[in-house]
Amino acid sequence: DTGVSQDPRHKITKRGQNVTFRCDPISEHNRLYWYRQTLGQGPEFLTYFQNEAQLEKSRLLSDRFSAERPKGSFSTLEIQRTEQGDSAMYLCASSLASGAHTEAFFGQGTRLTVV
Amino acid sequence: QKEVEQDPGPLSVPEGAIVSLNCTYSNSAFQYFMWYRQYSRKGPELLMYTYSSGNKEDGRFTAQVDKSSKYISLFIRDSQPSDSATYLCAMSRQGGSEKLVFGKGTKLTVNP
Repeated sequence: DTGVSQDPRHKITKRGQNVTFRCDPISEHNRLYWYRQTLGQGPEFLTYFQNEAQLEKSRLLSDRFSAERPKGSFSTLEIQRTEQGDSAMYLCASSLASGAHTEAFFGQGTRLTVV
Repeated sequence: QKEVEQDPGPLSVPEGAIVSLNCTYSNSAFQYFMWYRQYSRKGPELLMYTYSSGNKEDGRFTAQVDKSSKYISLFIRDSQPSDSATYLCAMSRQGGSEKLVFGKGTKLTVNP
C-alpha cells in the first residue's frame, strides 16, 4: 500500500458540467475525509466517513456536492453543475479511528479548474 | 474571526537560519496540534504532532504549544533549501481521527 491515492490528478471542465473524483484510502483505515483547498488558503473540511457512514458534512458542502463511500472502501466526490467558484484542489485523507493518537494521511489531491 | 489564524508570509531566509512559524487559535476545545508541510501542487504531509501544552522536538524541528495563550509555534533550526514549502498548522479536539481545522499556511523560502 503506497498511501492515499486520488484520481484524476487534474480535471478541467466547463461550467455547468458534472465531475466526479475518486479517493482510495490506506487499506486498513476506516475514516476518510474530503477537504477543499483554494489558492493561498489552508484545506477546509468538507465531509468525512467512518466505514460507509457519512458522519459529518460541512456547511461548505452545498446541495450540488455529494460524497459516497460504498462498502467502506474507496470514496467518490461528485460536483453537479460546476461553477467557477468550485475551482480548487480537492484533498482526500484517511486515518484509523482509535482512542490513541492517530495520524491523518493526505493524498496528492485533484486539482479542478472550471472554465 | 477565524478559528485558526496564521500569517501567510511569504517568509524568506538564508540557509542555516532559524525559522519561527506561528499560529493562534480561538477554540479552547482544541487539544491536538499539528504542523503539516506542503510542497507546491502536492498534498500536505505531517511534520509534528503535539497533544496539549508543551514542547516536542524531532531533529531540526521543535513544536511548542501554549494553551493558556492559544498560541503554537514551529521552529526549524539550520534551515535548508529543501525546507522551502508552505507550512500549515492544524488543530482538532480529538487528534488525527477527527476533522482538522487548518491555518492559511506560511510560504517559506530558504535561499542557498
